[in-house]
Amino acid sequence: GAVVSQHPSRVICKSGTSVKIECRSLDFQATTMFWYRQFPKQSLMLMATSNEGSKATYEQGVEKDKFLINHASLTLSTLTVTSAHPEDSSFYICSARDLRNSNQPQHFGDGTRLSIL
Amino acid sequence: SQQGEEDPQALSIQEGENATMNCSYKTSINNLQWYRQNSGRGLVHLILIRSNEREKHSGRLRVTLDTSKKSSSLLITASRAADTASYFCATDNQGAQKLVFGQGTRLTINP
Repeated sequence: GAVVSQHPSRVICKSGTSVKIECRSLDFQATTMFWYRQFPKQSLMLMATSNEGSKATYEQGVEKDKFLINHASLTLSTLTVTSAHPEDSSFYICSARDLRNSNQPQHFGDGTRLSIL
Repeated sequence: SQQGEEDPQALSIQEGENATMNCSYKTSINNLQWYRQNSGRGLVHLILIRSNEREKHSGRLRVTLDTSKKSSSLLITASRAADTASYFCATDNQGAQKLVFGQGTRLTINP
């Protein structure tokens, strides 16, 4: 079945560091990728939607200069948390789908646990 | 964005019993999807039911969809300890790219 690979699975770094998270669709072309943030025991909060080759669409309240998203190909999107601070510590999950088929499911990566010291 | 609602928020049952989770939503949909999330992991897609379908089965999973009531249910039969996880419904709304997730049900299967 379809697989989405997310890397790294865990990051621990100092405040002020920029962190890049990669999301790859391994056996399908992802016209659209999504980035979510999840707090403990809560549902997923959509941060942004990215379509291949165009600028990401950010949800209200999400700083685009803080969370840089690049979706340069149909198989790769990256999220860069710039100058990360402790309040950015969270679980980040990417997902991907091919919107050319509206009844295909959305597939998720395994998440990245980001801890900023 | 409007989030769907799931109930119960938490469910604890004995191994072997059936578990039922419900999901309600607010808009017209293309399909509704159920996902499972084990602690600290990503979401695993379980089943997708289209808006013109009323019931779907996959192994021990049974999903129903009532578009007139804008609701869906997920039934897990003969539950196992390994079914312990959070379960989320998500609607693929007409005219939108993104899924709208429910708040999730935390299911605990006691051995």
